Amino acid sequence: AQTVTQSQPEMSVQEAETVTLSCTYDTSESDYYLFWYKQPPSRQMILVIRQEAYKQQNATENRFSVNFQKAAKSFSLKISDSQLGDAAMYFCASGMRFGAGTRLTVKP
Amino acid sequence: KAGVTQTPRYLIKTRGQQVTLSCSPISGHRSVSWYQQTPGQGLQFLFEYFSETQRNKGNFPGRFSGRQFSNSRSEMNVSTLELGDSALYLCASSLGTGAMDTEAFFGQGTRLTVV
Repeated sequence: AQTVTQSQPEMSVQEAETVTLSCTYDTSESDYYLFWYKQPPSRQMILVIRQEAYKQQNATENRFSVNFQKAAKSFSLKISDSQLGDAAMYFCASGMRFGAGTRLTVKP
Repeated sequence: KAGVTQTPRYLIKTRGQQVTLSCSPISGHRSVSWYQQTPGQGLQFLFEYFSETQRNKGNFPGRFSGRQFSNSRSEMNVSTLELGDSALYLCASSLGTGAMDTEAFFGQGTRLTVV
């Protein structure tokens, strides 16, 4: 069974700074996708970034990038130049299995 | 195209009652997954249905059940409600290719309050 672990229940970052959210996972699949989702106060879950495990290059979407370490089964999210609108719950996912989430606060 | 629709959006029930929540996935999606979200427990996986069959199940008591219809719409049922069942219930749909699904699309959730 797939399991996803986010060890940071809460994180805080100063506006314009960089923050990294951690995630580890376990899967028996040989190829798979990993995801980071954002859930703002509106509760609507939206996809931030995805990474196909077969691809060695780390995915990047504007200010969001991942550090994917396949052997270590680690998948962290880096948010650069943090903005107030980045404040939200962030969920790491492998397939349809999600971590417990990390609440990110952005301080002005 | 239309997104994932969950109904109702809000629900208040009394302890001991039962409740049915509905989820209409994106057209063409064959997989529907259900999650319970509470402030203290984060996002917990309930079950996944694919082509009318339960494909995966989380660690929840038998009071939680679900089903999927031939048009991929899914319902979730909770019997003998307890105060601890108060939560946001999220539904997500995907193509259903398992580990190779490229994205899960979420509904806005049903907020269940048990009093």
